Amino acid sequence: NAGVTQTPKFQVLKTGQSMTLQCAQDMNHNSMYWYRQDPGMGLRLIYYSASEGTTDKGEVPNGYNVSRLNKREFSLRLESAAPSQTSVYFCASTSIPGQGESEQYFGPGTRLTVT
Amino acid sequence: QQQVKQSPQSLIVQKGGISIINCAYENTAFDYFPWYQQFPGKGPALLIAIRPDVSEKKEGRFTISFNKSAKQFSLHIMDSQPGDSATYFCAASVTSGTYKYIFGTGTRLKVLA
Repeated sequence: NAGVTQTPKFQVLKTGQSMTLQCAQDMNHNSMYWYRQDPGMGLRLIYYSASEGTTDKGEVPNGYNVSRLNKREFSLRLESAAPSQTSVYFCASTSIPGQGESEQYFGPGTRLTVT
Repeated sequence: QQQVKQSPQSLIVQKGGISIINCAYENTAFDYFPWYQQFPGKGPALLIAIRPDVSEKKEGRFTISFNKSAKQFSLHIMDSQPGDSATYFCAASVTSGTYKYIFGTGTRLKVLA
């Protein structure tokens, strides 16, 4: 049981290049999320997918697109990278235990630098 | 109204001391308040969580105190240890639908040996 996995771990892009961050979970969770983490800003939600086949914008969606490929996989795409997208990106998925509490399980993160 | 305000931004505590981190929220629809712990180079992991129908929850050395009327909650780490040195995030969520979290900005805790 690997939990939430992310690839790649590190990436350096030039301004204008595109790339896709991959995320997969093996916990049979319905909901998945992409966050970015910047110093002093906490974790900000980029996009989320409440269930397979649905995606919605979070707090900071501009410059990103997502695809919920199936129940396991949720990818984040940067079409034209900008230096402002330099950040650490985390994918998460949610369990919904019986009493209505929701623990989000996070992946190890992708550290992206855009030059 | 969707914000969760967290303080302090950083905290230095002597080994054996008490670490206290505070959070405040505005949205009264929030009904689940977790705390996450993050070590350098790792993803955040759930530490402890509380629902607003109780005023305190304790798990080992970690305690959440919750004040519903003031819309505030705090994390207390008793007998702080160097291994507790990490970044701590509070969060708030509505436990229905999409289970989105609103995170605080984080507190970097350093416990001196």
